[in-house]
Amino acid sequence: DIQMTQSPSSVSASVGDRVTITCQASQGISSWLAWYQQKPGKAPKLLIYAASSLQSGVPSRFSGSGSGTDFTLTISSLQSEDFATYHCQQANSFPYSFGQGTKLEI
Amino acid sequence: QITLKESGPTLVKPTQTLTLTCTFSGFSLSTSGVAVGWIRQPPGKALEWLALIYWDDDRRYSPSLKSRLTITEDTSKNQVVLTMTNMDPVDTATYYCAHSGSSGWYFDSWGQGTLVTVSS
Repeated sequence: DIQMTQSPSSVSASVGDRVTITCQASQGISSWLAWYQQKPGKAPKLLIYAASSLQSGVPSRFSGSGSGTDFTLTISSLQSEDFATYHCQQANSFPYSFGQGTKLEI
Repeated sequence: QITLKESGPTLVKPTQTLTLTCTFSGFSLSTSGVAVGWIRQPPGKALEWLALIYWDDDRRYSPSLKSRLTITEDTSKNQVVLTMTNMDPVDTATYYCAHSGSSGWYFDSWGQGTLVTVSS
């Protein structure tokens, strides 16, 4: 099974900051990676798929990069609505797996 | 517009079988390239993928739970059903169903989730 490890587990930032979250796969997954945003009491929302493709309707301040085992999610200029938990997920092989989540706090 | 909604019991007793229904609209599970999956999230913990059913009836399960899970579809009702046997308190979680296929094999639309508590 492929293990997904996110870092940091939590990060404090301010509106306007640039923030980067990383996700590492225990083995190569090519570009089969997605990023989701989850707000308290809500379902996850797909932000980025195929490592770097922006899901329709997602603001362009979100971007993803990486391939193989190392991936990053970058928010270029934090807005108040971006404070949430972010999850990575690999879809390279079954069983699909998620990272443990990164909580983005003020 | 794709929508999904989970339904089922909010409380089950240990050893009982859980049956959850995902009722969806805005797509057909008969369409090539479409799948519906189940994912759960224990309170304060990470997301865990459980099962997936494809348009061609191919089914995939989490190996750690495979012996307890069954995923089925009722195309005429636009529903996907997940059953999990021998429930335990560690299975207490919010259970989500989600659509896959619009953006590759990722979960691009999710239901609101349903919290299932396992307790005697």
